Amino acid sequence: GESVGLHLPTLSVQEGDNSIINCAYSNSASDYFIWYKQESGKGPQFIIDIRSNMDKRQGQRVTVLLNKTVKHLSLQIAATQPGDSAVYFCAETPDPSGGGADGLTFGKGTHLIIQP
Amino acid sequence: KAGVTQTPRYLIKTRGQQVTLSCSPISGHRSVSWYQQTPGQGLQFLFEYFSETQRNKGNFPGRFSGRQFSNSRSEMNVSTLELGDSALYLCASSRLAGPGYTQYFGPGTRLTVL
Repeated sequence: GESVGLHLPTLSVQEGDNSIINCAYSNSASDYFIWYKQESGKGPQFIIDIRSNMDKRQGQRVTVLLNKTVKHLSLQIAATQPGDSAVYFCAETPDPSGGGADGLTFGKGTHLIIQP
Repeated sequence: KAGVTQTPRYLIKTRGQQVTLSCSPISGHRSVSWYQQTPGQGLQFLFEYFSETQRNKGNFPGRFSGRQFSNSRSEMNVSTLELGDSALYLCASSRLAGPGYTQYFGPGTRLTVL
């Protein structure tokens, strides 16, 4: 079936640099996208979301970009800190109201490693 | 406000047994969703409950079931356990139904099937 995927399983960046985590999705009907952060031993933590009628949304130190033409989503983290070390997942749904059967579809995740 | 709590945190069972996992949502949240997380398949949606009713269900066999109580607490049950059921089971709560509402995850229950 349709799936959400990540380009890289691991991304290593220097502390203080900007990080860019990418995600490709295949469901052209996807309408709502979320980024989650999962630290070791914890459940996923909501970072930021974006609807398909937007192409950019900013939060505190994070920006999500959506390119519907190529079905690509990215998460940018500014001035990466040691506390940003985690696995990052993108997730999507074609139906935010949840009328469909799939709930959220998650990508496989990218492990962000911060080098001192 | 207390977060989502899940009990137990760790569980070891043998093949053929059945297991019940519990989830207490954030106070005021009425929707509870369950996900299975494995290294191979990643995070997969199991089902969502809202107002004691299952709203939707992912692609899992009937051995996986759940329920929700009037206080929004939820349980999921897996019968006739298989080795492949070893996973982290995550519960997420949201204020209202549907994945469009921010889902807050609990720490998960780590199930090991021997």
